[in-house]
Amino acid sequence: GDSVTQMEGPVTLSEEAFLTINCTYTATGYPSLFWYVQYPGEGLQLLLKATKADDKGSNKGFEATYRKETTSFHLEKGSVQVSDSAVYFCALGHNAGNMLTFGGGTRLMVKP
Amino acid sequence: KAGVTQTPRYLIKTRGQQVTLSCSPISGHRSVSWYQQTPGQGLQFLFEYFSETQRNKGNFPGRFSGRQFSNSRSEMNVSTLELGDSALYLCASSLDTNSVDEQFFGPGTRLTVL
Repeated sequence: GDSVTQMEGPVTLSEEAFLTINCTYTATGYPSLFWYVQYPGEGLQLLLKATKADDKGSNKGFEATYRKETTSFHLEKGSVQVSDSAVYFCALGHNAGNMLTFGGGTRLMVKP
Repeated sequence: KAGVTQTPRYLIKTRGQQVTLSCSPISGHRSVSWYQQTPGQGLQFLFEYFSETQRNKGNFPGRFSGRQFSNSRSEMNVSTLELGDSALYLCASSLDTNSVDEQFFGPGTRLTVL
């Protein structure tokens, strides 16, 4: 079956540092890939997505590229802010209905 | 546009009881999915409903069930509660197109089983 593996946290960075959160997946066919973010006390929100190989999703300074050859979808941001502190989830989904498979989540803490 | 709402936000039950959780999707969204979030197992898909029919089902025992009404509102039910059912239950709604749509999540219902 499908599975998503992401680096365990917490990841602690200083403000303006470069962020990478690794995500790899195992799936049949050609899934769509997502990054969701959960801010403290809030629900999950879609951060970005990519629907086919070599697509780059981007939003709020975050980027991730769908790499089929390495089955990866790593999340990057050039300069993190304190407000980026949250839990980040990598996920995949297929066209057959709205069913997502999530990774375990990575907690990011950004210190001023 | 109002977001996804879930009621109640918090519940405390004892082992053996049953519980019903409710989810109202964003207006116009016809697909509703349910997820269980626990510290140990993370986010796991329970089931998805579309047009009052269960379209996808995750790997959970039959104690977990759900339904969807004609106005797209959905309920999930857990019977014979176990301690391990303590979790945050998230509902998500989405439009139904031919691609994987963005899912909009509600704030969740936190269930504690004593």
